[in-house]
This record gives sequence, structure tokens and C-alpha cells, in this order.
Amino acid sequence: AQSVTQLDSHVSVSEGTPVLLRCNYSSSYSPSLFWYVQHPNKGLQLLLKYTSAATLVKGINGFEAEFKKSETSFHLTKPSAHMSDAAEYFCVVSDASQKLVFGTGTRLLVSP
Amino acid sequence: ETGVTQSPTHLIKTRGQQVTLRCSSQSGHNTVSWYQQALGQGPQFIFQYYREEENGRGNFPPRFSGLQFPNYSSELNVNALELDDSALYLCASSLGAGGEPSYEQYFGPGTRLTVT
Repeated sequence: AQSVTQLDSHVSVSEGTPVLLRCNYSSSYSPSLFWYVQHPNKGLQLLLKYTSAATLVKGINGFEAEFKKSETSFHLTKPSAHMSDAAEYFCVVSDASQKLVFGTGTRLLVSP
Repeated sequence: ETGVTQSPTHLIKTRGQQVTLRCSSQSGHNTVSWYQQALGQGPQFIFQYYREEENGRGNFPPRFSGLQFPNYSSELNVNALELDDSALYLCASSLGAGGEPSYEQYFGPGTRLTVT
């Protein structure tokens, strides 16, 4: 069975500093991995996806993630946090039938 | 291009009642998946419909059922509501094409169900 583990339930940064949200995955084959963001009382928005084409994936709003097979990791980064980045972030793995398996989420807090 | 829409936005029901939630998929998408998101948790997969057939089910009891219509819109029905069914219900649409796992799923805003 496929799964993802988000290593931090909360991450706090100051505006303008880098963001790192950590995710490890478990999969019996080459996985499809995603990061989604959820703002309060909103639905989920896709930030980026990995599908084995390139290990460094660029997404929307300046976010990117690097797939590291040797470390079974897919960490999400952004060079400079903005107040509008404050939200819940989910690392997600998809199985062959497109069933999405979500991590428990990381709440990103951005202070001025 | 119209995104995924869900109705109603909010709903309050009493334990034991039945509820129907609706989802309109994004234009051109033939697959709809439903997820339950309890407060403070990540979404959990309920089931998926591909071209009007159920195409996978998560660990949810049979009182959770669904339908997909020829226009690919979908309904989620929950019978005999329990307090633990209180959650945000999300639907997502995608291109099925035989189950390519890399296809993006686009989520609707969700229906907030409260069971009292």
C-alpha cells in the first residue's frame, strides 16, 4: 500500500524567509506525487505534481519540490514566504486507479 | 472552462437521516472521486466513478453510496447519518483514461455536513 508521511504538523516562518515542508513516501513502484494547498474554508488547490519526467518540479506561486528516490522524499520549498502562503499543505500519493492518499497535513504559519 | 462545483455549501442534518450531496465535474472530465475530510485531518478516499461505474472504494460502509450520470456529474448519498459523518465532503474530477495515476484531480469547494 502506498502512503505519505508529513514530518511536521506545523511550520512557522517569517515573511521573506525560506519555506521547507517535509514529506516522505512509501510506494511499491514509481509513484505519482502531488502537493495540494488548502486555505481556510476553501477546497484543495494543486500546487505541483511529480510523474517521473524530472526530479525537480516547479509549481505555482513560486513553490517547487524535489523527488529523491534514495531518500524516498518529496519536500516542498519556496525561497521567500509571503503572508498569503499561510495555509494547510498536503503531500499526496496516487495509486494506479487515481485514488489519492493524503498525508496528515502541515499547517504553515507566516508572521510579518 | 467551468471548474468543479458542489452543492449545497453547508448542510445540517439529524442523526439517522439521509443526505444527498451533488458534484458537477470540470468540463471534459469523465472521472469523479469523493473524499471525506474530518476536522483537522487529511481527506480520506470514499469512492470513485469512471464513466458511470464505481471504480474503486475506500474503507467506508455501504451506507455511503454514489451515482454518476451521463454528463459525468455525480451524487454522494449517505444513509442513517451518524455524528461521526460530520465533515467536509470534497469531490474531485479528472480524466480517467484507464487510470493514469498522474492525471491531476481538480477539487470542488466542498460541502460542509453537520450531523446533530
